[in-house]
Formats: sequence, C-alpha cells, structure tokens
Amino acid sequence: RKEVEQDPGPFNVPEGATVAFNCTYSNSASQSFFWYRQDCRKEPKLLMSVYSSGNEDGRFTAQLNRASQYISLLIRDSKLSDSATYLCVVNGLSGGYNKLIFGAGTRLAVHP
Amino acid sequence: DGGITQSPKYLFRKEGQNVTLSCEQNLNHDAMYWYRQDPGQGLRLIYYSQIVNDFQKGDIAEGYSVSREKKESFPLTVTSAQKNPTAFYLCASRLDGDQPQHFGDGTRLSIL
Repeated sequence: RKEVEQDPGPFNVPEGATVAFNCTYSNSASQSFFWYRQDCRKEPKLLMSVYSSGNEDGRFTAQLNRASQYISLLIRDSKLSDSATYLCVVNGLSGGYNKLIFGAGTRLAVHP
Repeated sequence: DGGITQSPKYLFRKEGQNVTLSCEQNLNHDAMYWYRQDPGQGLRLIYYSQIVNDFQKGDIAEGYSVSREKKESFPLTVTSAQKNPTAFYLCASRLDGDQPQHFGDGTRLSIL
C-alpha cells in the first residue's frame, strides 16, 4: 500500500462547479498535512496547510479525518485558472528522520 | 527576496558524463531535499539532508550523489551510473518539524 494515495483523475469540470479531492495516508502517527498545486512543467507550490479543525482559504476548504486517515480538498466556484495537479502531502517518519511524503497528484481540468 | 535558486534551468548531458545541479537557499532552512519527476508522474525523493554535513538516501538514490558542506547549498551530481537521467529535478527546503517545503523552479536534464 502506498503511503499517500490519491485518485489521479483527471477531473473535468465546468467553470463554477464545486469539486472535491480525497487523499488517504497510511501512517497514523502523521501530524502535518498540506495541499500543493503544480502547474504543467512548473514546481509545486503550497496551496494550504490542513488543520485538525478544518480550514478555509477563499474558495478552498481543507478537511482532515484522523480516524479514517484521509484528507480532503474542496474547491468551490471553479475557475479556469484552477486547472492544475493537486498534490496531497503528509509528514512521516522514515529511518528516524522526519520528511514529507507526496501523493502522485490529482489532475483538475476546468473548462468554459 | 528569500527563496530557493536552482541552476541551470536546462542542462544537457553527454553519455558517460557527470553533471552537477546547483541548489541554493537563503531562507535559513535546516532541511533540504532533491526530487526527480518524470512526465505525468509524481515526485520521487532522491536525497535529503536535515543538517550540514549529513544526508540520507531517498527512494531512488542510485546513480546520484550529494554534499551538504554549507547550510544554504545542496548540490546534486547525476553520475554516469544513472542510465536514465532525463527528468525534471526539483530542490526543496524547509524549517524542520511540521513546516511545509518550498521548492526551487527546477532543472530540466536531458541526454544529448
């Protein structure tokens, strides 16, 4: 089982739609969670951290469910500019070292 | 401006040649990372370093080497032993603990 799993998509949605991505993680001891956005042929950029109580940043809402070990990202009122790959990232321990583990990403395509 | 600088942006390697990718950060971050990304794929960890003069192998370290002689610098050498080096290479850094990573804008390496 992969440490972080995401549905690869693509999710094809019209402008204005609401879309949700889920991500599951295997290490129950993980403490930090993030969503990154990666545009084609560019570096990943931090979209938002995910807090236990859930958090919102404009049209984006992130939720964490520790009991089921999954994280979600909700995008409301999708824009064309939201088209990108969204990476789920979880903090984990490996060989005694603390490092971030990246999911393979979920691709979103927003069309007019 | 604080950030992570990778150079060069594009690099071509001849057969049997070693090449070195530069990564410099002025964020005063302790931890630095190197990832490889192939087209349509997720990030794979090559090497990481939590502190100066210390580094650990990631998931795909074979054919690569690194050094961490200064806090701000973490160069990656792609050796001739790496038979399929064509990829997008990303360097990242973060304050240790529960912080997110910040990425440089990457180096695209191709074989001549």
